[in-house]
Amino acid sequence: EVQLVESGGGLVKPGGSLRLSCAASGFTFSNAWMSWVRQAPGKGLEWVGRIKSKTDGGTTDYAAPVKGRFTISRDDSKNTLYLQMNSLKTEDTAVYYCTTVIAVAGTESCYFDYWGQGTLVTVSS
Amino acid sequence: SYVLTQPPSVSVAPGKTARITCGGNNIGSKSVHWYQQKPGQAPVLVIYYDSDRPSGIPERFSGSNSGNTATLTISRVEAGDEADYYCQVWDSSSDHPGVFGTGTKVTVL
Repeated sequence: EVQLVESGGGLVKPGGSLRLSCAASGFTFSNAWMSWVRQAPGKGLEWVGRIKSKTDGGTTDYAAPVKGRFTISRDDSKNTLYLQMNSLKTEDTAVYYCTTVIAVAGTESCYFDYWGQGTLVTVSS
Repeated sequence: SYVLTQPPSVSVAPGKTARITCGGNNIGSKSVHWYQQKPGQAPVLVIYYDSDRPSGIPERFSGSNSGNTATLTISRVEAGDEADYYCQVWDSSSDHPGVFGTGTKVTVL
């Protein structure tokens, strides 16, 4: 059974930093592309970024609102995905979900297969 | 960036059919995926590649995609189908490639 368990959320002041973790189990993590998706309170889903498997280059892509402030990384030895968030803004307040990513064969296109339960990040003074 | 537009809400009686649209420029040329999110829960994939269903998703859920509109259809609606539904595409030409629709609240009357 695929399990994704996020942790590391909490209250942080504007301009501060936070690192989220996502512990994965039930599948071969090192082969998986992974992503972060967030949801502000009472709002819709917003894609944050993704990381490919190392065999596919291990490259990252980010949404425009977080590019240059957020960094996605992975530790395949620990089956763990990370989201380092710097220079946080009040508009980054959201539940952050870790997801597995399925790439459409032969393209860069993808969708989000399994989701964790999310961790809440609140940016407020 | 690419925009996906959904109706804010759809109401349907039990046993009837709900249709949720997702509008986007030439969306028929892209693969569309759909997610269901119940209150307080994480989203669940219900349709991928326009019309394929993951294992465990009832046959009552189906999808189509053509022209400027993709549609998620829920047949024989049940009370347990009440949820928010989001469409999603990947727009490789954009600086914001992962795109979700605005979301539709389905209410079972």
